[in-house]
Amino acid sequence: QSVLTQPPSASGTPGQRVTISCSGSSSNIGSNTVNWYQQLPGTAPKLLIYSNNQRPSGVPDRFSGSKSGTSASLAISGLQSEDEADYYCAAWDDSLNGPWVFGGGTKLTVL
Amino acid sequence: EVQLVESGGGLVQPGRSLRLSCTASGFTFGDYAMSWVRQAPGKGLEWVGFIRSKAYGGTTEYAASVKGRFTISRDDSKSIAYLQMNSLKTEDTAVYYCTREDCGGDCYFDYWGQGTLVTVSS
Repeated sequence: QSVLTQPPSASGTPGQRVTISCSGSSSNIGSNTVNWYQQLPGTAPKLLIYSNNQRPSGVPDRFSGSKSGTSASLAISGLQSEDEADYYCAAWDDSLNGPWVFGGGTKLTVL
Repeated sequence: EVQLVESGGGLVQPGRSLRLSCTASGFTFGDYAMSWVRQAPGKGLEWVGFIRSKAYGGTTEYAASVKGRFTISRDDSKSIAYLQMNSLKTEDTAVYYCTREDCGGDCYFDYWGQGTLVTVSS
């Protein structure tokens, strides 16, 4: 059971906008920033979004992040086939769960 | 170019030990905290532990699941981070990733190695 809760799966068709949620608590998302990682099939995870809504250089602006209270969301607009991957949220946790906690991951399928 | 290369994985029996290495290049290794994250087969990511830079005391933190069994250390002169794993259990079977932790403002894992597979089985 992961400390951060994500839906196990999401899907969309090319060109659509999809969102992936990440729910936590006051000790993690509620008091710290959220990062998102993308894991393409058979590869290592890669930083996608940091500090709730910042994109590292090279990440397309189709990817965006937001946070409100103890929840965060990753949005992907103009969905492309190469976006099919597993997505994980992560945050620092101030309680005994931490310091770092991850969501269980969301498998995004592009139909 | 930042590179992290893990090594040392393999098949090990329950109760035995294994040491993983993470060789870094392309950045000033001593300026960064280094974390280990693992992924069991078909499962999600689990943070294992980290070691702070010497500027922040070089101290370590561990996940509850490995505390007392795993030890992280670093050799800044060689740009290598180590994960010493003792008293291994079958549930420690996973791909182990080395990550660089950037804490310029907020903290995040900005670079990841390719991972090394550890299989604990008799």
